[in-house]
Amino acid sequence: EPEVTQTPSHQVTQMGQEVILRCVPISNHLYFYWYRQILGQKVEFLVSFYNNEISEKSEIFDDQFSVERPDGSNFTLKIRSTKLEDSAMYFCASTPGGVGNQPQHFGDGTRLSIL
Amino acid sequence: GENVEQHPSTLSVQEGDSAVIKCTYSDSASNYFPWYKQELGKGPQLIIDIRSNVGEKKDQRIAVTLNKTAKHFSLHITETQPEDSAVYFCAAILRDFGNEKLTFGTGTRLTIIP
Repeated sequence: EPEVTQTPSHQVTQMGQEVILRCVPISNHLYFYWYRQILGQKVEFLVSFYNNEISEKSEIFDDQFSVERPDGSNFTLKIRSTKLEDSAMYFCASTPGGVGNQPQHFGDGTRLSIL
Repeated sequence: GENVEQHPSTLSVQEGDSAVIKCTYSDSASNYFPWYKQELGKGPQLIIDIRSNVGEKKDQRIAVTLNKTAKHFSLHITETQPEDSAVYFCAAILRDFGNEKLTFGTGTRLTIIP
């Protein structure tokens, strides 16, 4: 079964540094998402992306965050200047969209640790 | 925006018994309610979902019920097994042909006692 893959599985970064988290969504999917899960808390929506632009973003997704689909397969989340409170699991998800109501498929996440 | 409440936060069940997890949602426009299972070190995995035009759905040992009037939906796991131990999240959404954001509940840590 096709999977959403995320790399790296664990990223350790100094506060203030830039970090890029990478995702390869399922190949025929058109809608892409990033979610965040702080340790022991619920999964929170960050941003949705379709047709090479952001569809919706949450309050968490401030100017320090950006997303990009640099080619036909990758979908990235960049945090420009990381803060301690950015430490969390970051999950990428994708869905084909359209009629049929296919569910969102999640990757196994990247654990981001800010020192 | 949508708000989803989930309880209990932890649940311990003897192997073979049933487990029930309950969620409420706030936005009456929400029309799709998935349940995700999250094992340690893994991403959320969809286990069952229900749409607002259906009151109940069953898949082997797992069932979900939806009460639109009360804005409640519940996950039922029967004949629980050790591999059912995980964190379970409910979610609610207004489906719009793929452009959507899932609003998750706070999660239930289910432990099956052998």
